[in-house]
Amino acid sequence: DTGVSQNPRHKITKRGQNVTFRCDPISEHNRLYWYRQTLGQGPEFLTYFQNEAQLEKSRLLSDRFSAERPKGSFSTLEIQRTEQGDSAMYLCASSSERGTDTQYFGPGTRLTVL
Amino acid sequence: GDSVTQMEGPVTLSEEAFLTINCTYTATGYPSLFWYVQYPGEGLQLLLKATKADDKGSNKGFEATYRKETTSFHLEKGSVQVSDSAVYFCARSPTGNQFYFGTGTSLTVIP
Repeated sequence: DTGVSQNPRHKITKRGQNVTFRCDPISEHNRLYWYRQTLGQGPEFLTYFQNEAQLEKSRLLSDRFSAERPKGSFSTLEIQRTEQGDSAMYLCASSSERGTDTQYFGPGTRLTVL
Repeated sequence: GDSVTQMEGPVTLSEEAFLTINCTYTATGYPSLFWYVQYPGEGLQLLLKATKADDKGSNKGFEATYRKETTSFHLEKGSVQVSDSAVYFCARSPTGNQFYFGTGTSLTVIP
């Protein structure tokens, strides 16, 4: 078990560009979550997958944000036409369906939009 | 609606001091409760959890007791160390698909 991994760890982009982040969950976990964290705040829930099904996406911040988990393993989060306000840490977490929904977090991807 | 509220920081303590970080929750039903810790430059790590009323979660000298009557899950440690300096987040399990974290409390322990 290598834990949740995220790539890249840091991304600097210019306003208006598209960015895509990848999350690889713990292998036996079928649930995967995306959060955004801004400075001085707790994680803000964005979306959630159970296997390949996206069961909650109403919290995605705008229609510029989209997420996929096509084979029920890794997931990608894409932000189109980035804005400076998108600068934040994007966190991925995974959990097993059984038990108490304990979530295990990756190290995050820090996005800076210039 | 359902939420988690935790004590605002930052908190600065001397080494070996007693720590309390308050956390209260609102919920319909009986959520599981968690404390996560985020060390500088790292991701969130699960510190401890409790799944039902009167349960006590503990880890690394930290403790928190699930109090249904006061809807609280306060984090305590009897003697903090410099290495405990981090941001601490209270969290609760979902209602439906909505997950909740507090805003975080920054702790700095000075020698």
